[in-house]
Amino acid sequence: DAGVIQSPRHEVTEMGQEVTLRCKPISGHNSLFWYRQTMMRGLELLIYFNNNVPIDDSGMPEDRFSAKMPNASFSTLKIQPSEPRDSAVYFCASSHDRGGNQPQHFGDGTRLSIL
Amino acid sequence: DAKTTQPTSMDCAEGRAANLPCNHSTISGNEYVYWYRQIHSQGPQYIIHGLKNNETNEMASLIITEDRKSSTLILPHATLRDTAVYYCIVRVYGGSQGNLIFGKGTKLSVKP
Repeated sequence: DAGVIQSPRHEVTEMGQEVTLRCKPISGHNSLFWYRQTMMRGLELLIYFNNNVPIDDSGMPEDRFSAKMPNASFSTLKIQPSEPRDSAVYFCASSHDRGGNQPQHFGDGTRLSIL
Repeated sequence: DAKTTQPTSMDCAEGRAANLPCNHSTISGNEYVYWYRQIHSQGPQYIIHGLKNNETNEMASLIITEDRKSSTLILPHATLRDTAVYYCIVRVYGGSQGNLIFGKGTKLSVKP
């Protein structure tokens, strides 16, 4: 079975540019999560969706970040304008929302470098 | 959610059992214990979870003490590919799906 698919795997861009990260969750999963991982702060939840609806975006660092889930098989995380401090690995995860104890399955991440 | 305490690092000889401890002394009755691991340059990988009974799957065993204040993840025959950072997380059953808070984990090094 295909796991969570993220693209691109690596992104290098100059500050001020718009960055769009993409995620395809596991088929049949109805919860989707975006995380960011840095050396300083570890792995942090940015936002999560349930049935395509954003449920908790309290982890989104600021208005430059936005996330959408137009359908059950696709989500984007956008940064506009990007800044060097946004450099990190961004992970997407998905899970089945059955009873609230289902494990999350992660993609291999997008390594983002803002110059 | 309750916080967890794990050793920063551990070593294990290849072929031997790796026993990774986790303290969660303030765990609540409705919180599960989850284990994930992260191999370098990959996303976190789910290993196992449990509430109060011991659990076993094809990857590992999870032993939870009777008072639920600590647990141990057991990799029965560690291989070099098990070298990773292992995270112990407690999470409310039926609670917000977002409550998966990663600490610093234990860096397990499996040596030949």
